Amino acid sequence: QQQVKQSPQSLIVQKGGISIINCAYENTAFDYFPWYQQFPGKGPALLIAIRPDVSEKKEGRFTISFNKSAKQFSLHIMDSQPGDSATYFCAASMIGDSNYQLIWGAGTKLIIKP
Amino acid sequence: DAGITQSPRHKVTETGTPVTLRCHQTENHRYMYWYRQDPGHGLRLIHYSYGVKDTDKGEVSDGYSVSRSKTEDFLLTLESATSSQTSVYFCAISEVPQRGTDTQYFGPGTRLTVL
Repeated sequence: QQQVKQSPQSLIVQKGGISIINCAYENTAFDYFPWYQQFPGKGPALLIAIRPDVSEKKEGRFTISFNKSAKQFSLHIMDSQPGDSATYFCAASMIGDSNYQLIWGAGTKLIIKP
Repeated sequence: DAGITQSPRHKVTETGTPVTLRCHQTENHRYMYWYRQDPGHGLRLIHYSYGVKDTDKGEVSDGYSVSRSKTEDFLLTLESATSSQTSVYFCAISEVPQRGTDTQYFGPGTRLTVL
Protein backbone atom coordinates (compact mmCIF):
# COMPACT_ATOMS: atom_id res chain seq x y z
CA GLN A 1 0.00 0.00 0.00
CA GLN A 2 3.03 2.23 0.40
CA GLN A 3 4.19 1.76 -3.19
CA VAL A 4 4.18 4.25 -5.99
CA LYS A 5 4.22 2.58 -9.39
CA GLN A 6 5.79 4.55 -12.22
CA SER A 7 5.66 3.90 -15.95
CA PRO A 8 7.20 3.66 -18.44
CA GLN A 9 10.69 2.70 -17.34
CA SER A 10 12.15 4.48 -20.37
CA LEU A 11 10.77 6.83 -22.98
CA ILE A 12 12.06 8.24 -26.24
CA VAL A 13 10.34 11.33 -27.65
CA GLN A 14 11.09 13.48 -30.65
CA LYS A 15 12.04 17.10 -30.08
CA GLY A 16 8.92 19.20 -29.91
CA GLY A 17 6.72 16.30 -28.87
CA ILE A 18 4.84 15.67 -25.62
CA SER A 19 6.42 13.44 -23.00
CA ILE A 20 4.04 11.71 -20.60
CA ILE A 21 5.05 9.79 -17.48
CA ASN A 22 2.49 8.12 -15.26
CA CYS A 23 2.36 7.18 -11.60
CA ALA A 24 -0.19 5.31 -9.52
CA TYR A 25 -0.56 4.91 -5.78
CA GLU A 26 -2.72 2.96 -3.34
CA ASN A 27 -2.54 4.84 -0.07
CA THR A 28 -5.36 7.39 -0.03
CA ALA A 29 -3.69 9.18 2.87
CA PHE A 30 -0.98 10.54 0.57
CA ASP A 31 -1.43 14.29 0.21
CA TYR A 32 1.67 15.55 -1.52
CA PHE A 33 2.92 14.43 -4.94
CA PRO A 34 6.23 15.83 -6.20
CA TRP A 35 8.20 15.12 -9.33
CA TYR A 36 11.98 15.19 -9.27
CA GLN A 37 14.36 15.52 -12.22
CA GLN A 38 17.82 13.98 -12.23
CA PHE A 39 20.58 14.64 -14.73
CA PRO A 40 23.45 12.15 -15.11
CA GLY A 41 26.00 12.49 -12.33
CA LYS A 42 23.76 14.75 -10.25
CA GLY A 43 21.35 14.35 -7.40
CA PRO A 44 17.61 14.64 -8.04
CA ALA A 45 16.04 18.10 -7.84
CA LEU A 46 12.42 19.08 -7.29
CA LEU A 47 10.72 19.92 -10.59
CA ILE A 48 7.07 20.46 -9.69
CA ALA A 49 4.62 19.26 -7.03
CA ILE A 50 0.88 19.05 -6.48
CA ARG A 51 -1.57 18.66 -3.61
CA PRO A 52 -4.79 16.65 -4.10
CA ASP A 53 -7.04 19.68 -3.80
CA VAL A 54 -6.31 20.60 -7.43
CA SER A 55 -6.47 18.49 -10.58
CA GLU A 56 -3.72 20.21 -12.50
CA LYS A 57 -0.65 22.33 -11.92
CA LYS A 58 1.37 23.95 -14.65
CA GLU A 59 4.82 25.47 -14.53
CA GLY A 60 6.13 26.50 -17.90
CA ARG A 61 6.25 23.45 -20.15
CA PHE A 62 5.72 21.06 -17.24
CA THR A 63 2.24 20.05 -16.08
CA ILE A 64 1.08 17.62 -13.40
CA SER A 65 -2.36 16.10 -13.94
CA PHE A 66 -3.92 14.55 -10.86
CA ASN A 67 -6.85 12.11 -10.78
CA LYS A 68 -7.81 11.52 -7.17
CA SER A 69 -10.53 8.96 -7.87
CA ALA A 70 -8.21 6.85 -10.01
CA LYS A 71 -5.28 7.40 -7.62
CA GLN A 72 -3.08 8.40 -10.51
CA PHE A 73 -0.97 11.39 -11.42
CA SER A 74 1.12 12.16 -14.43
CA LEU A 75 3.80 14.52 -15.68
CA HIS A 76 3.41 16.09 -19.10
CA ILE A 77 6.32 17.85 -20.76
CA MET A 78 5.13 19.98 -23.66
CA ASP A 79 7.43 20.89 -26.56
CA SER A 80 10.05 18.48 -25.25
CA GLN A 81 13.65 19.61 -25.73
CA PRO A 82 16.96 17.71 -25.73
CA GLY A 83 17.80 19.49 -22.46
CA ASP A 84 14.84 17.69 -20.86
CA SER A 85 16.66 14.38 -21.28
CA ALA A 86 16.96 13.12 -17.72
CA THR A 87 15.55 10.59 -15.28
CA TYR A 88 12.24 11.60 -13.72
CA PHE A 89 10.95 10.33 -10.40
CA CYS A 90 7.46 10.67 -9.00
CA ALA A 91 6.93 10.45 -5.27
CA ALA A 92 4.21 10.68 -2.65
CA SER A 93 4.01 11.48 1.04
CA MET A 94 1.77 12.38 3.93
CA ILE A 95 2.71 15.85 5.09
CA GLY A 96 1.35 15.45 8.60
CA ASP A 97 3.07 12.11 9.15
CA SER A 98 5.42 12.34 12.12
CA ASN A 99 7.60 9.72 10.43
CA TYR A 100 7.70 11.78 7.27
CA GLN A 101 9.04 9.93 4.26
CA LEU A 102 8.81 10.35 0.54
CA ILE A 103 7.74 7.15 -1.22
CA TRP A 104 9.47 7.06 -4.59
CA GLY A 105 8.59 5.62 -7.96
CA ALA A 106 11.27 3.60 -9.76
CA GLY A 107 12.08 6.36 -12.25
CA THR A 108 11.68 6.99 -15.98
CA LYS A 109 14.65 7.62 -18.21
CA LEU A 110 13.56 10.18 -20.80
CA ILE A 111 15.51 10.72 -24.00
CA ILE A 112 14.54 13.56 -26.33
CA LYS A 113 15.81 12.96 -29.85
CA PRO A 114 16.82 16.09 -31.78
CA ASP B 1 23.72 20.64 -4.78
CA ALA B 2 24.38 23.95 -3.12
CA GLY B 3 24.85 23.68 0.63
CA ILE B 4 25.28 19.91 0.66
CA THR B 5 28.55 18.09 0.22
CA GLN B 6 29.25 14.39 0.30
CA SER B 7 32.59 12.72 0.84
CA PRO B 8 34.17 10.80 -0.62
CA ARG B 9 32.64 11.18 -4.09
CA HIS B 10 34.02 7.85 -5.24
CA LYS B 11 35.26 4.89 -3.27
CA VAL B 12 36.37 1.37 -4.09
CA THR B 13 36.65 -1.02 -1.20
CA GLU B 14 36.85 -4.72 -0.50
CA THR B 15 34.22 -7.03 0.91
CA GLY B 16 34.22 -7.13 4.69
CA THR B 17 35.77 -3.73 5.30
CA PRO B 18 33.91 -0.94 7.13
CA VAL B 19 33.10 2.17 5.14
CA THR B 20 31.88 5.57 6.32
CA LEU B 21 30.28 8.12 4.06
CA ARG B 22 29.85 11.70 5.18
CA CYS B 23 27.17 14.24 4.40
CA HIS B 24 27.69 17.86 5.39
CA GLN B 25 25.12 20.65 5.06
CA THR B 26 25.34 24.39 5.55
CA GLU B 27 21.57 25.02 5.38
CA ASN B 28 20.76 24.24 9.02
CA HIS B 29 17.93 21.95 7.89
CA ARG B 30 16.56 19.67 10.56
CA TYR B 31 15.94 16.54 8.48
CA MET B 32 18.67 14.55 6.75
CA TYR B 33 18.32 11.37 4.73
CA TRP B 34 20.51 8.68 3.22
CA TYR B 35 19.31 6.97 0.03
CA ARG B 36 20.79 4.43 -2.28
CA GLN B 37 20.06 4.47 -5.99
CA ASP B 38 20.18 1.34 -8.09
CA PRO B 39 18.91 0.75 -11.65
CA GLY B 40 15.29 -0.35 -11.64
CA HIS B 41 14.80 0.48 -7.97
CA GLY B 42 14.79 4.23 -7.98
CA LEU B 43 15.68 5.80 -4.65
CA ARG B 44 15.44 3.69 -1.52
CA LEU B 45 15.65 5.21 1.92
CA ILE B 46 18.32 3.72 4.19
CA HIS B 47 18.09 5.88 7.33
CA TYR B 48 16.97 9.35 8.18
CA SER B 49 17.45 11.84 10.97
CA TYR B 50 15.01 14.36 12.39
CA GLY B 51 17.47 16.04 14.73
CA VAL B 52 20.79 15.66 16.49
CA LYS B 53 21.05 12.09 17.79
CA ASP B 54 17.51 11.37 16.50
CA THR B 55 17.54 8.79 13.73
CA ASP B 56 15.24 6.13 12.34
CA LYS B 57 15.39 3.26 9.91
CA GLY B 58 14.22 3.39 6.35
CA GLU B 59 13.24 0.73 3.84
CA VAL B 60 16.69 -0.86 3.39
CA SER B 61 18.54 -0.32 6.68
CA ASP B 62 20.07 -3.78 7.16
CA GLY B 63 23.87 -3.60 7.11
CA TYR B 64 23.92 0.16 7.61
CA SER B 65 24.17 2.41 10.63
CA VAL B 66 24.07 6.19 10.97
CA SER B 67 25.08 8.87 13.40
CA ARG B 68 24.29 12.53 13.75
CA SER B 69 26.24 14.33 16.45
CA LYS B 70 25.88 17.79 14.90
CA THR B 71 23.10 19.42 12.90
CA GLU B 72 25.33 19.76 9.87
CA ASP B 73 26.79 16.24 9.67
CA PHE B 74 25.13 12.89 8.98
CA LEU B 75 27.35 9.83 8.70
CA LEU B 76 26.45 6.55 7.03
CA THR B 77 28.49 3.48 7.99
CA LEU B 78 28.55 0.16 6.22
CA GLU B 79 29.62 -2.08 9.05
CA SER B 80 31.05 -4.83 6.82
CA ALA B 81 30.70 -3.95 3.16
CA THR B 82 29.24 -6.52 0.76
CA SER B 83 29.05 -6.54 -3.02
CA SER B 84 25.27 -5.97 -2.79
CA GLN B 85 26.04 -2.56 -1.28
CA THR B 86 27.69 -1.40 -4.48
CA SER B 87 25.53 1.58 -5.35
CA VAL B 88 25.29 5.33 -5.63
CA TYR B 89 24.51 6.88 -2.27
CA PHE B 90 22.71 10.20 -1.96
CA CYS B 91 22.29 12.42 1.03
CA ALA B 92 19.28 14.72 1.16
CA ILE B 93 18.06 17.42 3.52
CA SER B 94 14.76 19.10 4.18
CA GLU B 95 13.31 21.63 6.58
CA VAL B 96 10.36 20.61 8.71
CA PRO B 97 8.13 18.57 6.39
CA GLN B 98 5.04 18.92 8.54
CA ARG B 99 4.96 22.62 7.80
CA GLY B 100 4.37 21.84 4.16
CA THR B 101 7.76 22.81 2.78
CA ASP B 102 8.48 19.32 1.66
CA THR B 103 11.32 19.82 -0.78
CA GLN B 104 14.21 17.46 -0.33
CA TYR B 105 17.53 18.85 -1.53
CA PHE B 106 20.05 16.30 -2.67
CA GLY B 107 23.81 16.16 -2.53
CA PRO B 108 25.97 15.16 -5.50
CA GLY B 109 26.18 11.50 -4.52
CA THR B 110 28.90 8.99 -3.65
CA ARG B 111 29.63 6.12 -5.99
CA LEU B 112 30.68 3.11 -3.91
CA THR B 113 32.08 -0.08 -5.40
CA VAL B 114 32.58 -3.12 -3.20
CA LEU B 115 34.84 -5.74 -4.75
